[in-house]
Amino acid sequence: KAGVTQTPRYLIKTRGQQVTLSCSPISGHRSVSWYQQTPGQGLQFLFEYFSETQRNKGNFPGRFSGRQFSNSRSEMNVSTLELGDSALYLCASSPQTGSSYEQYFGPGTRLTVT
Amino acid sequence: GNSVTQMEGPVTLSEEAFLTINCTYTATGYPSLFWYVQYPGEGLQLLLKATKADDKGSNKGFEATYRKETTSFHLEKGSVQVSDSAVYFCALGANNAGNMLTFGGGTRLMVKP
Repeated sequence: KAGVTQTPRYLIKTRGQQVTLSCSPISGHRSVSWYQQTPGQGLQFLFEYFSETQRNKGNFPGRFSGRQFSNSRSEMNVSTLELGDSALYLCASSPQTGSSYEQYFGPGTRLTVT
Repeated sequence: GNSVTQMEGPVTLSEEAFLTINCTYTATGYPSLFWYVQYPGEGLQLLLKATKADDKGSNKGFEATYRKETTSFHLEKGSVQVSDSAVYFCALGANNAGNMLTFGGGTRLMVKP
């Protein structure tokens, strides 16, 4: 099976712009979660989508949003970009939702905001 | 709230040395516990997991035991290799929180030949 894919892999944006990142989960997986990784804050949970519904949301401002399509592919959007949004954004997929299920991570999208 | 604390790195070892990376957690109920590894320029890979107290997760020579009494999930390997050099993350998944993971800060391991 193909792994989790994320596009684009690298992105450079300017403050105030918006950005959309894409995640394609492993075939058959219905849950997609997003994480932000920065040197200062580490790995922080953004949100989880399961069967097109947001299941959980982390402590991020409303500028961060996401959605999931019927084929389980997911997108996250960040509006009005700030310098502090520069990070590696990781998505992870899982067949189901629940604390004991294994999650499979993609390679990430490296976002740089200038 | 839930939290995970890992020993700070970097941890530098010689090849074939014994590895321990400490991880303790705070959570209500009975979370699932995970170790993930991140190689340079890559995403996270699941190394092992344990879903209930006294479970031992193991993979590729790495082991960790879910200790409820000490709220710990320390990672061990008897003989490290240069190829084990990476950043290791301890994480917990709480009950009733879907797939949300709470991660520790990560521990960088450097293994020298």
